[in-house]
Amino acid sequence: GEDVEQSLFLSVREGDSSVINCTYTDSSSTYLYWYKQEPGAGLQLLTYIFSNMDMKQDQRLTVLLNKKDKHLSLRIADTQTGDSAIYFCAESNTNAGKSTFGDGTTLTVKP
Amino acid sequence: GAVVSQHPSRVICKSGTSVKIECRSLDFQATTMFWYRQFPKKSLMLMATSNEGSKATYEQGVEKDKFLINHASLTLSTLTVTSAHPEDSSFYICSARPDSEKLFFGSGTQLSVL
Repeated sequence: GEDVEQSLFLSVREGDSSVINCTYTDSSSTYLYWYKQEPGAGLQLLTYIFSNMDMKQDQRLTVLLNKKDKHLSLRIADTQTGDSAIYFCAESNTNAGKSTFGDGTTLTVKP
Repeated sequence: GAVVSQHPSRVICKSGTSVKIECRSLDFQATTMFWYRQFPKKSLMLMATSNEGSKATYEQGVEKDKFLINHASLTLSTLTVTSAHPEDSSFYICSARPDSEKLFFGSGTQLSVL
């Protein structure tokens, strides 16, 4: 079945850029997502990218998609302590409908 | 944009009781909705696919009689955790999508079974 993998932990200093990487296996993925989950809270959709795009930028967030390598990344510029959270990569296929999530990357931002 | 509403956001219940969680698509019709479960510090695992007007499709290892899903209308799916036990304590999230569009997620329900 479909699989989404991402590294489990990332630690950066405040003000640096953070890059969270994700790989997926479903070549028919239509949408790819990045979600943020703060402790005790639900999922917050940060951004998403349609599979025919290479890049999407939204303020401090930049998403890069390499469809050939099935690699997705999320770059957070000028990382702040409030960015500390778990970040989930996910993919969905509009035909199948359901989405598959990675295990989440815990981002720790040190002052 | 499309909105998926999930209720309640948090519920505490006694062991042996049943708990119902609602998932509503507020401004679109969803013939299919999805239910996920998240264990502490773990990713979300798909539990079942809820199909309007027909039986839900459960993922392997998910007890159908334990987690009852009803999708009686195009805007509402419910998940009932029957005879809840402490091991059922978890974060439950639903999702839905307008046709051929990206998924939208509810805000989740934190279930705590005492």
